[in-house]
Amino acid sequence: GNSVTQMEGPVTLSEEAFLTINCTYTATGYPSLFWYVQYPGEGLQLLLKATKADDKGSNKGFEATYRKETTSFHLEKGSVQVSDSAVYFCALRSQGNNRLAFGKGNQVVVIP
Amino acid sequence: DVKVTQSSRYLVKRTGEKVFLECVQDMDHENMFWYRQDPGLGLRLIYFSYDVKMKEKGDIPEGYSVSREKKERFSLILESASTNQTSMYLCASGLSGLAGGRGQFFGPGTRLTVL
Repeated sequence: GNSVTQMEGPVTLSEEAFLTINCTYTATGYPSLFWYVQYPGEGLQLLLKATKADDKGSNKGFEATYRKETTSFHLEKGSVQVSDSAVYFCALRSQGNNRLAFGKGNQVVVIP
Repeated sequence: DVKVTQSSRYLVKRTGEKVFLECVQDMDHENMFWYRQDPGLGLRLIYFSYDVKMKEKGDIPEGYSVSREKKERFSLILESASTNQTSMYLCASGLSGLAGGRGQFFGPGTRLTVL
């Protein structure tokens, strides 16, 4: 079946540091891939997406590239701010399926 | 902008009460979803609906039912609330087919506490 794996544990880093959150997936065919962000006390917001191999999704300084050869969709930001503190979820939607498969999420804490 | 609204941000109920959580979307999406979110368990799909009056069980449907009488509205019902249903409940909507590649859009969530 479809599944998404995110790296274990929270991520704590200083302001202006480089952020990477790993995401790998298992799916048949050519899924669409997503990153969602959840700020404290709120619902999930779509951060970025990619629908085919080698596509790069980007938004608010965040980027992720759909790598079919490594089945990965790692999230990166070059210089984080305190306001980026949130939980980040990787998700996939396989072809012909309206459901999303989510990773467990990563708590990111940015310290001033 | 897609807007998904949920009837309450916070709700406190007693064990055994019948609880209704309402969700409304304004983008004419065919699909609507109910999830619950718990620490360490991530998001788990309870039920979803792909059309009016149509529903499918998700991964954890036990103790819940749903209703979709109009396209824009999807209700989650706890027939007899129990303390283990204390959680954050998230509603989402999305399109079908290729347009579903745009993703799902979430409401702000309802934090339900059952005493």
